[in-house]
Amino acid sequence: GQQLNQSPQSMFIQEGEDVSMNCTSSSIFNTWLWYKQDPGEGPVLLIALYKAGELTSNGRLTAQFGITRKDSFLNISASIPSDVGIYFCAGQSYSGGGADGLTFGKGTHLIIQP
Amino acid sequence: EAQVTQNPRYLITVTGKKLTVTCSQNMNHEYMSWYRQDPGLGLRQIYYSMNVEVTDKGDVPEGYKVSRKEKRNFPLILESPSPNQTSLYFCASSTSTGGYGYTFGSGTRLTVV
Repeated sequence: GQQLNQSPQSMFIQEGEDVSMNCTSSSIFNTWLWYKQDPGEGPVLLIALYKAGELTSNGRLTAQFGITRKDSFLNISASIPSDVGIYFCAGQSYSGGGADGLTFGKGTHLIIQP
Repeated sequence: EAQVTQNPRYLITVTGKKLTVTCSQNMNHEYMSWYRQDPGLGLRQIYYSMNVEVTDKGDVPEGYKVSRKEKRNFPLILESPSPNQTSLYFCASSTSTGGYGYTFGSGTRLTVV
């Protein structure tokens, strides 16, 4: 199936720093999604992107849908302790039968040092 | 509250003893799916269902079964669990297009000894 390359795998940062992570694919996606997973919980949707070039913000989070439709990035500004967790990108394409299932990246583990 | 409910949250079992992990959603979603999460491998899809009585294999279906007799329920069945099925399992649901993303359950941590 399709594969997403998500980087970095993990990040160790200081509180207050900005964070940037990205996903790339060899295939085109129609939708890009970013999820966050807190320890012991399921992933929760942060941002959804539907158009190439789209830039969307949700509080301190900003995500962009790449022009080529093969990549997306997520930025977190001024990180705080509750930002700790695993961040997943996910892409979705549409075939003749409708929407295909989501393809997930392997996650970016964000660790914030006090 | 709109949610996906999985049970149990934790399960330890022995090799070969059949088990079922239940999943229920209250959002009238057509699409439901099961994923397993393993360190370094991210989320991998096991099975999915586009609607009642319609199921299909995901990327890692071996050793698993599912059924979709009702819209709200999508149980995951392990007929003969093996240690390599020790993992964290998530059920998810969405509208038929899925374009607004999936709603995930809180997970089931399964250990097979």
